[in-house]
Amino acid sequence: DTEVTQTPKHLVMGMTNKKSLKCEQHMGHRAMYWYKQKAKKPPELMFVYSYEKLSINESVPSRFSPECPNSSLLNLHLHALQPEDSALYLCASSPGDGSNQPQHFGDGTRLSIL
Amino acid sequence: DAKTTQPTSMDCAEGRAANLPCNHSTISGNEYVYWYRQIHSQGPQYIIHGLKNNETNEMASLIITEDRKSSTLILPHATLRDTAVYYCIVRPSLTSGTYKYIFGTGTRLKVLA
Repeated sequence: DTEVTQTPKHLVMGMTNKKSLKCEQHMGHRAMYWYKQKAKKPPELMFVYSYEKLSINESVPSRFSPECPNSSLLNLHLHALQPEDSALYLCASSPGDGSNQPQHFGDGTRLSIL
Repeated sequence: DAKTTQPTSMDCAEGRAANLPCNHSTISGNEYVYWYRQIHSQGPQYIIHGLKNNETNEMASLIITEDRKSSTLILPHATLRDTAVYYCIVRPSLTSGTYKYIFGTGTRLKVLA
């Protein structure tokens, strides 16, 4: 069981659709992360939020739009995606207090772009 | 940012110890070593982390060499459920309360019955 919950687990969308991925944690963590993982590759960082503010954007295309409405929630809004964006999207959280405590990951949303 | 190098794959007999090596020769003095594993179709699962002393928890042991340029994750009695990809990560120094994980390619461990 994971303490970071991601919904939906699977998503199929067309290139013109708009959809959102959702991530929720109730561990009181103040740092949250989005990663993208292609098949048989390691996860790659996309965005980092710290205290609800975007602190790192790893040069991600604007068709991916993150949002952190409160300290427990993290969204990733998707629009006009390309077939190469098909991947597993992982959310993670960490205390965000400068400690060495690890990030905790959700089980991801598997996204397929038609 | 320090990079890690791991063998691509390893096999281990069920019930035996699995020793997974990681090379991080460019590690800085204040950088921690973290180990995660990822079972197919799940998110990475935290296993253990350390700075310079050896660490042990209910899942595994972490042995870090004295010069900190390499480490070994030990699963003392591997089971079939330990079959997964194991990632060794060196966490870069903190600039705030957040930090970046840079995943290496990982080791695909297969536990054999």
